Amino acid sequence: DIQLTQSPSFLSASVGDRVTITCRASQGIHNYLAWFQQKPGKAPKLLIYAASTLQSGVPSRFSGSGSGTEFTLTISTLQPEDFATYYCQQLNSYPQTFGQGTKVDIK
Amino acid sequence: EVQLVESGGGLVQPGGSLRLSCVASGFTLSGSAVHWVRQASGKGLEWVGRIRTKDNNYATVDAASVRGRFSISRDDSKNTAYLQMNSLKTEDTAVYFCGATTIPASRYYIDVWGRGTTVIVSS
Repeated sequence: DIQLTQSPSFLSASVGDRVTITCRASQGIHNYLAWFQQKPGKAPKLLIYAASTLQSGVPSRFSGSGSGTEFTLTISTLQPEDFATYYCQQLNSYPQTFGQGTKVDIK
Repeated sequence: EVQLVESGGGLVQPGGSLRLSCVASGFTLSGSAVHWVRQASGKGLEWVGRIRTKDNNYATVDAASVRGRFSISRDDSKNTAYLQMNSLKTEDTAVYFCGATTIPASRYYIDVWGRGTTVIVSS
């Protein structure tokens, strides 16, 4: 199985900060990577797919990049509604694994 | 509004069975691959399995942790997908989400999610 390791697992940030989350795959996955946002008690929400394609309706402050084994999710200017847990997911091969999550908390 | 609604969760004893349902509204599920993803309390997301469309022979694939115990099916006439869970173990306790792929892409990215249904396996 392909393992995804997110870093950091937890970060404290302030409104207006630029935030970057990294997702590293144990082997190459081309650009078959998605990023999700999840708030407590809610379903995940797709933010980015194919590593860098912004899902319809998602604010442009979210962006994704990377290919192969290293990927990043960037929030350019953190907003109050962005405090949540973020997960990457690889779709290169089955099983489609998720990273362990990155919780973004208020500093 | 495009949405998925899961049902069928509950409390079951180890070794028991449950069938979860996932009903789509606002779109036709028959054109979408359907996934099941679970999340134990306070833990991360775990992909459980996926079923493709009729055009793709309803092909299924699942995680090793549930293989031989869980099965995924669908009834497109009812706009519904199912997760049949047998031989349940305590470690299957989780919120179960269904998800659908409506994005035209080379992979089955989950862009529509249900709110989840809770399964508790305990004696």
